[in-house]
Amino acid sequence: GQQVMQIPQYQHVQEGEDFTTYCNSSTTLSNIQWYKQRPGGHPVFLIQLVKSGEVKKQKRLTFQFGEAKKNSSLHITATQTTDVGTYFCAGPYAGNNRKLIWGLGTSLAVNP
Amino acid sequence: EAGVAQSPRYKIIEKRQSVAFWCNPISGHATLYWYQQILGQGPKLLIQFQNNGVVDDSQLPKDRFSAERLKGVDSTLKIQPAKLEDSAVYLCASSLDRGAYEQYFGPGTRLTVT
Repeated sequence: GQQVMQIPQYQHVQEGEDFTTYCNSSTTLSNIQWYKQRPGGHPVFLIQLVKSGEVKKQKRLTFQFGEAKKNSSLHITATQTTDVGTYFCAGPYAGNNRKLIWGLGTSLAVNP
Repeated sequence: EAGVAQSPRYKIIEKRQSVAFWCNPISGHATLYWYQQILGQGPKLLIQFQNNGVVDDSQLPKDRFSAERLKGVDSTLKIQPAKLEDSAVYLCASSLDRGAYEQYFGPGTRLTVT
């Protein structure tokens, strides 16, 4: 069945270093969404990418959607302790665009 | 704008007992989701409502889990009887019927089954 995979599962960085998480889908996606979940918190919507090759930026966060619309990445420049959390990508199921398939997430730890 | 409300925030029960969770979505959000999130994993969809109708409940263990969304607003999720493996965070989310369909999550209910 449809799957969304994320790597790495965990990442430890020193504050100020860059961070990237990658998301790969087994099928072509109509869009991909990214969420952030702080420790003990709930997922919070960050962004949606729709177009092939799309790149969007939110301050230090850069999101990309692959040309084939099967992969995506989130890059954080100069990480801060406030970036700590788990980053999830999620794509819609074929036939039900309101139902999301979630990756397992990448947990980011930032050492001050 | 008020967010998604959930209660209780924490619940501890013994196995074979029953438990119910309540969710009030963001006003105007037609779609409501219940997720189960086990520590270290992504959210797993249990059931999706569109107004008061069920759109998807393919991963809901129907022998012990039930959910309803009366009048297309509030929703309750029930587990009866609970098993040890039901220990998880139960998240409720809602979304609009247009746009990006981004989902807004409530704070969740952390269930511990002993």
